[in-house]
Amino acid sequence: EVQLVESGGGLVQPGGSLRLSCAASGFTFSSYDMHWVRQATGKGLEWVSAIGTAGDTYYPGSVKGRFTISRENAKNSLYLQMNSLRAEDTAVYYCAREGDLSLRDWGQGTLVTVSS
Amino acid sequence: QSALTQPASVSGSPGQSITISCTGTSSDVGGYNYVSWYQQHPGKAPKLMIYDVSNRPSGVSNRFSGSKSGTSASLAITGLQAEDEADYYCQSYDSSLSGVVFGGGTKLTVL
Repeated sequence: EVQLVESGGGLVQPGGSLRLSCAASGFTFSSYDMHWVRQATGKGLEWVSAIGTAGDTYYPGSVKGRFTISRENAKNSLYLQMNSLRAEDTAVYYCAREGDLSLRDWGQGTLVTVSS
Repeated sequence: QSALTQPASVSGSPGQSITISCTGTSSDVGGYNYVSWYQQHPGKAPKLMIYDVSNRPSGVSNRFSGSKSGTSASLAITGLQAEDEADYYCQSYDSSLSGVVFGGGTKLTVL
């Protein structure tokens, strides 16, 4: 059974930093592209970043230059380093496993709140 | 503003059928057969219902089906059940981003 468990969320001040983690199990982690997707309260899903099996990374303009996605295959772990956080980054952050450009499996999410 | 356009809400009675539309551009929906649909119940993570326009993952009811024409895709649900009440999101690959884009979501109400 595929399991994705996010951690690292919490309250951070504007301009601060936070590192999210996603522990994967139940599949060969190194063989799959992985994504982060966020959802602000009452809002829709927003793609945040992706990392390929070769370590290639992709970001939308809203987070490019502030967020960094990375992976550690030996630890079956995905990370999201978030810097220069803004109030509009407040959301539940999900990690997801990709299969043919669809997000096949999702974690339960971790809440990030950016507020003074 | 979402990259893909969905109606904010749709509704139907138990047993009826509904469709949810998802409109994009030639850079996303129209350019690739990589359209997916997700169901999300309140407080839960999204669940993949349709991938590659019209394919159902194992375990998803055959009451759910997907299609695409040009730059628009659709999700159809037949034989509506109370448990289908949820938010539904379309998603496509976007070549201009080299990433994925979502629709704004559609709230399905089963009357």
